[in-house]
Amino acid sequence: NAGVTQTPKFQVLKTGQSMTLQCAQDMNHNSMYWYRQDPGMGLRLIYYSASEGTTDKGEVPNGYNVSRLNKREFSLRLESAAPSQTSVYFCASSEGDRGGGPQHFGDGTRLSIL
Amino acid sequence: KQEVTQIPAALSVPEGENLVLNCSFTDSAIYNLQWFRQDPGKGLTSLLLIQSSQREQTSGRLNASLDKSSGRSTLYIAASQPGDSATYLCAVGNTGGFKTIFGAGTRLFVKA
Repeated sequence: NAGVTQTPKFQVLKTGQSMTLQCAQDMNHNSMYWYRQDPGMGLRLIYYSASEGTTDKGEVPNGYNVSRLNKREFSLRLESAAPSQTSVYFCASSEGDRGGGPQHFGDGTRLSIL
Repeated sequence: KQEVTQIPAALSVPEGENLVLNCSFTDSAIYNLQWFRQDPGKGLTSLLLIQSSQREQTSGRLNASLDKSSGRSTLYIAASQPGDSATYLCAVGNTGGFKTIFGAGTRLFVKA
């Protein structure tokens, strides 16, 4: 199984540009998550989706939007990129609709904003 | 606000040594606690998950314990190997399980 697949793996943007990070899982999980990882700060939750059709804010949602396209796919959009959004972005999924199962992570998207 | 702290930030041990990684959290009203491993340039791999009603979980050479009353968890690694070298992250799931708070991790290096 592929597990959680994220595209692209690397991206460089200019300030003000927009882009969408894609995430797909093939484990039939209900819940999906987007995190960002910054040096010395651990992972921080941006948005999550408890089930298809629902999304909720996490700890650091400002500047981002998400779409749960179907059960498999959960995308993260930066409408107007800022240098502070330079980070490594991880998508994760877990079974069940209460978020209590082990989270399975993709390999990340490394995003640089100039 | 839940805060998760991992000590030490980095650890270097000789191969074969048993070791303990520490995780502390400020709010004992947790849903679960997970330990992850992260290799450089990679995503996280779930190692052990302890539900709030449990005291410990074991998988192979790994044992994780949970003491909610003191706000602590430990990850015990027996007979460490160079392949265990990675960053280990502790993550606390708050009530409902969705809003997971991560520690900054402990970077482990096992010398051959």
